[in-house]
Amino acid sequence: AAGVIQSPRHLIKEKRETATLKCYPIPRHDTVYWYQQGPGQDPQFLISFYEKMQSDKGSIPDRFSAQQFSDYHSELNMSSLELGDSALYFCASSSASRGGPFQKLFFGSGTQLSVL
Amino acid sequence: DQQVKQNSPSLSVQEGRISILNCDYTNSMFDYFLWYKKYPAEGPTFLISISSIKDKNEDGRFTVFLNKSAKHLSLHIVPSQPGDSAVYFCAASRTNFGNEKLTFGTGTRLTIIP
Repeated sequence: AAGVIQSPRHLIKEKRETATLKCYPIPRHDTVYWYQQGPGQDPQFLISFYEKMQSDKGSIPDRFSAQQFSDYHSELNMSSLELGDSALYFCASSSASRGGPFQKLFFGSGTQLSVL
Repeated sequence: DQQVKQNSPSLSVQEGRISILNCDYTNSMFDYFLWYKKYPAEGPTFLISISSIKDKNEDGRFTVFLNKSAKHLSLHIVPSQPGDSAVYFCAASRTNFGNEKLTFGTGTRLTIIP
């Protein structure tokens, strides 16, 4: 079965550079979530989209932006990168339209971002 | 403010024995709870969940218990197998709030000793 696809798997950037992370949800999933997990920390919610509209916002810095496109894939854009942005970034998807608890999120393998 | 807490960062259990992972939450609005398992270099994978209308949910070797009055849940794995070695995250959500995000605990690293 198709899973959540994230690209790239690894990304190395320097301070003040920009980065774009991509997420392709499971087919027919309409909701995408972005999480940031620092070393030894729990995944922190950044932002979510439902049907291409932002549905919730967490601890996402103003330097970051995200969107969900018409094909439901999502991109997380990160500018003016800082050393503290080094983390594992997970994307997850779910289906709100299928009924039942849509909080059952399916996660991608993550993008490991290293800022040097 | 950590709304979901897993106070044991690590746990070692002998193969074949029972593994018990604990989780506490502070937000009384949470009404849906999940356990995720995470291997290195992989994303978290859903394991089992429980709604607040229940106090127990069982799926094979995995059972989740919910004590709403204590705001506590636990995951029991029996018998424990070497493949169960992973980091386990407890997560909570509010089902009445649309596409509600999950709030995660800090995780417990479970090591099964052969």
